[in-house]
Amino acid sequence: DVKVTQSSRYLVKRTGEKVFLECVQDMDHENMFWYRQDPGLGLRLIYFSYDVKMKEKGDIPEGYSVSREKKERFSLILESASTNQTSMYLCASSGNADTQYFGPGTRLTVL
Amino acid sequence: QKEVEQNSGPLSVPEGAIASLNCTYSDRGSQSFFWYRQYSGKSPELIMFIYSNGDKEDGRFTAQLNKASQYVSLLIRDSQPSDSATYLCAVLGTAGNKLTFGGGTRVLVKP
Repeated sequence: DVKVTQSSRYLVKRTGEKVFLECVQDMDHENMFWYRQDPGLGLRLIYFSYDVKMKEKGDIPEGYSVSREKKERFSLILESASTNQTSMYLCASSGNADTQYFGPGTRLTVL
Repeated sequence: QKEVEQNSGPLSVPEGAIASLNCTYSDRGSQSFFWYRQYSGKSPELIMFIYSNGDKEDGRFTAQLNKASQYVSLLIRDSQPSDSATYLCAVLGTAGNKLTFGGGTRVLVKP
């Protein structure tokens, strides 16, 4: 079974804090993705990575950065959290078959 | 025009009936199509994928693909209350290994 884990299920941070969201997959997948999901807006791609140290911007990269130092780990960084970044954050991974498998999600609240 | 479109619902079906969900996409070169189910507060989980025109069956679920008309559908036979969820259509376009998600169709199965 594919397993994608995320560091926290719930997170509360204050405006201006630096926030790290971690994602780990155990299937040796090349591709990893970060999405956010908001009511009425659906799933929106923030960043993705198709190899170690490689990253590509998705549809809404502003205010975010990512890091992929090891194949199994993909981190999403909010350099200075803002209230409009309150959301559900979902990590996913995929191999050559294109099927994406999602982690359980992190519900981030920025106060 | 959105790249992947779904009726947001809710689609209300009686228990035991067939639920029919539709999804249209704009990228004519798309090759891979996925259906995910998402329960409230949870992350999306893959139900099935389809690559070729025609029908693909998996248990109570049938995916139908018509590339000429650019639509993909999902049928849920013998609907159960546990099928109440939001169903996301996702399409792998020609741009690379990114999935584009529709906004989802909310399904309510009433006992």
